[in-house]
Amino acid sequence: ETGVTQTPRHLVMGMTNKKSLKCEQHLGHNAMYWYKQSAKKPLELMFVYSLEERVENNSVPSRFSPECPNSSHLFLHLHTLQPEDSALYLCASSPPGAGANVLTFGAGSRLTVL
Amino acid sequence: SQQGEEDPQALSIQEGENATMNCSYKTSINNLQWYRQNSGRGLVHLILIRSNEREKHSGRLRVTLDTSKKSSSLLITASRAADTASYFCATDDDYKLSFGAGTTVTVRA
Repeated sequence: ETGVTQTPRHLVMGMTNKKSLKCEQHLGHNAMYWYKQSAKKPLELMFVYSLEERVENNSVPSRFSPECPNSSHLFLHLHTLQPEDSALYLCASSPPGAGANVLTFGAGSRLTVL
Repeated sequence: SQQGEEDPQALSIQEGENATMNCSYKTSINNLQWYRQNSGRGLVHLILIRSNEREKHSGRLRVTLDTSKKSSSLLITASRAADTASYFCATDDDYKLSFGAGTTVTVRA
């Protein structure tokens, strides 16, 4: 295990459902990220939190709502999703300082929207 | 944000052979990183090369960086079946990393 835990690993939801993805790290990292990975496409950075403050919101539709209650936990709240939102959602974290962002990823949450 | 772009998209080699993949990017960077992803899993950091470095080694991995051509290469020597995975380069843009679509490497036994 990497030290970054994502739950659930698999999620199937209808377009009208509301669900949440959870990410947890106890590595002492102070930045956390959500990436979306679709087949054959570059990873898409969705959100970045540094010291619990959102520093990046990469033009993500409002049906995705992040929450970072503390530096160890990150959520992605999902509502009224579309089938094209089906993807692997990856959470990552990185340590403070050092001048380089080396990311530690979780195993991902595979989301299927019906 | 800029993204690294890996080439080729897919690569199939025999066990024991070397695998080489390339990454090109558009603007100046502080560093470039390579990650590996096994099927359906998260990415794992392999190696980081800084902009003032030209070559770096880690076990069977060799990374080169040519900032004048804005390109990097990853060489895996003496490949093994366990090296079957997707490989991504990532460019460091301040507080975030930008990834390409990756090179899928299949090592045949």
